[in-house]
Amino acid sequence: AQSVTQLGSHVSVSEGALVLLRCNYSSSVPPYLFWYVQYPNQGLQLLLKYTTGATLVKGINGFEAEFKKSETSFHLTKPSAHMSDAAEYFCAVNQGGKLIFGQGTELSVKP
Amino acid sequence: EPEVTQTPSHQVTQMGQEVILRCVPISNHLYFYWYRQILGQKVEFLVSFYNNEISEKSEIFDDQFSVERPDGSNFTLKIRSTKLEDSAMYFCASSATDPREGETQYFGPGTRLLVL
Repeated sequence: AQSVTQLGSHVSVSEGALVLLRCNYSSSVPPYLFWYVQYPNQGLQLLLKYTTGATLVKGINGFEAEFKKSETSFHLTKPSAHMSDAAEYFCAVNQGGKLIFGQGTELSVKP
Repeated sequence: EPEVTQTPSHQVTQMGQEVILRCVPISNHLYFYWYRQILGQKVEFLVSFYNNEISEKSEIFDDQFSVERPDGSNFTLKIRSTKLEDSAMYFCASSATDPREGETQYFGPGTRLLVL
């Protein structure tokens, strides 16, 4: 069975600083990987996904993630944090059509 | 932009009561899902639905749960006799094509269910 681990349930950065949210997965087959964001009182919104092809994936709001097969990782980054990035971020892997989620990382951004 | 909608946003019920959570998926989507998130825990898959039948269900999705697409727009999750441990946020999702090919699942805002 596939699984997803997100290191750090809470990450705090200063506005303008680099955002790095870590995600590692386990999969016996080439994975489809996703990052979703959840703003307060809202649903899960897709940030970006990796299916095949280029391993560096760009998403909305300036986020990107790199699929590294050798490290079984799909870390999410943004060069410069904005106050509006404060939210909960979920990494997920597609297992036979259903999504298996990590536990989530809450990002807070300090002024 | 089309979106998945869910009603109600919050529901409080007594243990043993039946609840129906409603979802309107994106109109041209063919695959439908329910997930839930117990407070402080991971988002968990419950069930997937395609072509008017369940495609896959998790161990959580026991005989107390059922899903239905009663018409061309709604997708419902029924819990027949709620338990305290059913308290959670329930998310509906839909996708246009086969999710096994990496198709994006679009999520609704969720229904927060509290069982007393």
